[in-house]
Amino acid sequence: EVQLVESGGGLVQPGGSLRLSCAVSGFIFSNYPMQWVRQAPGKGLEYVSAISSDGDRTYYADSVKGRFTISRDSSKNTLYLQMGSLRPEDMAVYYCAKVYATGIYYLDYWGQGTLVTVSS
Amino acid sequence: EIVMTQSPATLSASPGERATLSCRASQSVSSKLAWYQQKPGQAPRLLFYGASTRVTGFPARFSGSGSGTEFTLTISSLQSEDFAVYYCQQYNNWPPTFGGGTKVEIK
Repeated sequence: EVQLVESGGGLVQPGGSLRLSCAVSGFIFSNYPMQWVRQAPGKGLEYVSAISSDGDRTYYADSVKGRFTISRDSSKNTLYLQMGSLRPEDMAVYYCAKVYATGIYYLDYWGQGTLVTVSS
Repeated sequence: EIVMTQSPATLSASPGERATLSCRASQSVSSKLAWYQQKPGQAPRLLFYGASTRVTGFPARFSGSGSGTEFTLTISSLQSEDFAVYYCQQYNNWPPTFGGGTKVEIK
């Protein structure tokens, strides 16, 4: 059974940092690209970042470029999102999701999400 | 960036009624269109990919169609468990982009 479990969310002050983790199981992690998608309270879905299966290529939404860093550790079957210079508009539930395959970027499995609150 | 526009924003319908949800792309995405279902407090769940290929586990009352810039998700006879928010997503061009969602609510 495929499982993705996010952790690391919480309350952080504007300008602060946070690292999200996503532990995966049930599939060969190193074979698949991964994404982070976020959802602000009461709003729709927004692509945040993606990483290739080997970790060599990373992609970011313009809204987070230069502030967030995506990475992965295949030895731990874990995806990460290092978030810095956080702003109130970054407040959202952050989901990690498995990409179907390289070049075919729909998301076939999602985690349950972790809430990031940015407030003073 | 391709803009995805969903309509209506909210669809009010009664159980047993037919629901038709629309998704329009600002430029052609071929058939690289996915639909997701999200229930309150839950993560989104893949419903369709390739515009019309239904994911295992969803019943046949769900159907997807379209190509290019116009896509439709149809629920032939709404059941109580179908009331949710539905999102379309194009994955033909980078970055992948989502529509704003259609909330299907009980009338």
